[in-house]
Amino acid sequence: GQNIDQPTEMTATEGAIVQINCTYQTSGFNGLFWYQQHAGEAPTFLSYNVLDGLEEKGRFSSFLSRSKGYSYLLLKELQMKDSASYLCAVRGRGSQGNLIFGKGTKLSVKP
Amino acid sequence: DVKVTQSSRYLVKRTGEKVFLECVQDMDHENMFWYRQDPGLGLRLIYFSYDVKMKEKGDIPEGYSVSREKKERFSLILESASTNQTSMYLCASSRLSYGYTFGSGTRLTVV
Repeated sequence: GQNIDQPTEMTATEGAIVQINCTYQTSGFNGLFWYQQHAGEAPTFLSYNVLDGLEEKGRFSSFLSRSKGYSYLLLKELQMKDSASYLCAVRGRGSQGNLIFGKGTKLSVKP
Repeated sequence: DVKVTQSSRYLVKRTGEKVFLECVQDMDHENMFWYRQDPGLGLRLIYFSYDVKMKEKGDIPEGYSVSREKKERFSLILESASTNQTSMYLCASSRLSYGYTFGSGTRLTVV
């Protein structure tokens, strides 16, 4: 079967660092994506990993270990506007493009 | 700026009605997708399409059909709306091996 797990909710303080984990079990692997979704809005693309290692993009970084079926999204210098749901999604090999999404992690940033 | 446009942001329909949800993209993307998003269940794939006049069932196609007569337009049809189809519907498009661009979503209520 195919399964993507991430924590349901997390809380962090403004200015802090938070790490959102994602583990996956899929039939094949052809890339992992992170999306941000504010309440009532559509998801927007944050990052993409296909090889092992860390991808950094400003305050956000994403890490992938294919052998462990594991990824994390790291958010630094948290701001109130980072309060949102964060979706982990995996593209399986041969799936012709469609992504399998986790249920999302709702992050609340408090002052 | 690339865009995926969904025809309605909010929609209220009666049980038994035939409902059309329209999605248009201006990026010449090959792939288009319809998902529904429900609390606690995440994003679930209803149908997707790799090319004009081609369609593939996703994880939850029952009660839905789709149409893709032109590359830029992908329509989702609820043949006979039921209350359990009340949900947020998200359309997305992508090039073959890239991430998704989402539309702003249609919140459908069936009464």
